[in-house]
Amino acid sequence: EIVMTQSPATLSASPGERATLSCRASQSVTSNLAWYQQQPGQAPRLLIYGASTRATGIPARFSGSGSGTQFTLTISSLQSEDFAVYYCQQYNTWPPGLFGQGTKLEIK
Amino acid sequence: EVQLVESGGGLVQPGRSLRLSCAASGFTFADYAMHWVRQAPGKGLEWVSGISWNSGSIGYADSVKGRFTISRDNAKNSVYLQMNSLKAEDTAYYYCAKDKGQWLAVQIIWGQGTLVTVSS
Repeated sequence: EIVMTQSPATLSASPGERATLSCRASQSVTSNLAWYQQQPGQAPRLLIYGASTRATGIPARFSGSGSGTQFTLTISSLQSEDFAVYYCQQYNTWPPGLFGQGTKLEIK
Repeated sequence: EVQLVESGGGLVQPGRSLRLSCAASGFTFADYAMHWVRQAPGKGLEWVSGISWNSGSIGYADSVKGRFTISRDNAKNSVYLQMNSLKAEDTAYYYCAKDKGQWLAVQIIWGQGTLVTVSS
C-alpha cells in the first residue's frame, strides 16, 4: 500500500521569503502527483498537477518539481494569501487519490 | 461558470444510510470523471471515491469499500454517493469534485461541501 508523507508538518515563514514543501511517496508515482492549497473554511484548490504543471490561474510564484518518489512545491516569494495548508496527492497507483497528511504554512 | 453543489448531508445514526448528491453546471458533465473527497473536522483530506466519465472505471478508498457506492446520471448532470452502514468515523465534510479529464486523476474544481455527522 502506497503512503504519501509530507514534510514538514508546519512551516513558519515570513512574507517575501521562499518556501519549500516536500512530499515523498513510498513507491514511485512517476509524475502523477498533484498539489492542493486549502484556506481555512474553504474547499481545496488545485495548484499543480503532473508534478510541475500549474493549473489555470495559478500564479507563477508556485512551482512544482520531482518525479518518482520525491516531490517539491516551491513558493518563490510568499504573499499573505499563501499562508494555508498544502496537500500532495498521487494519482498513479490504484485507487488514485491518496493524499499526504498536509503541511501548514504559517506566518512567522 | 463551473459549479458543483452538494446536498444530502445531515445527522444520521450509526449503522444507517445516507445518499449525497452533487449537481453540476457550467460544463459538459458527461465528458469528465467525478470524485468525492472528505475531510473530518480539523483533519486532512481523504479521497473517498471516483467515477470515470462513462462509469466504466470506479474506485474506492479502503476505508469505505463495500459500504459506499458512487454513481452518476449524465442526463441529470449529477453524481451520487450512497453511504451505508455509517460509522462515527465517517463524520466529515464531503466534497464533490470535477476531474481534469475523463479518467480518474486530479480534482480540478471543487464544491463547497456538505457535512455528514454520524452520531446517536
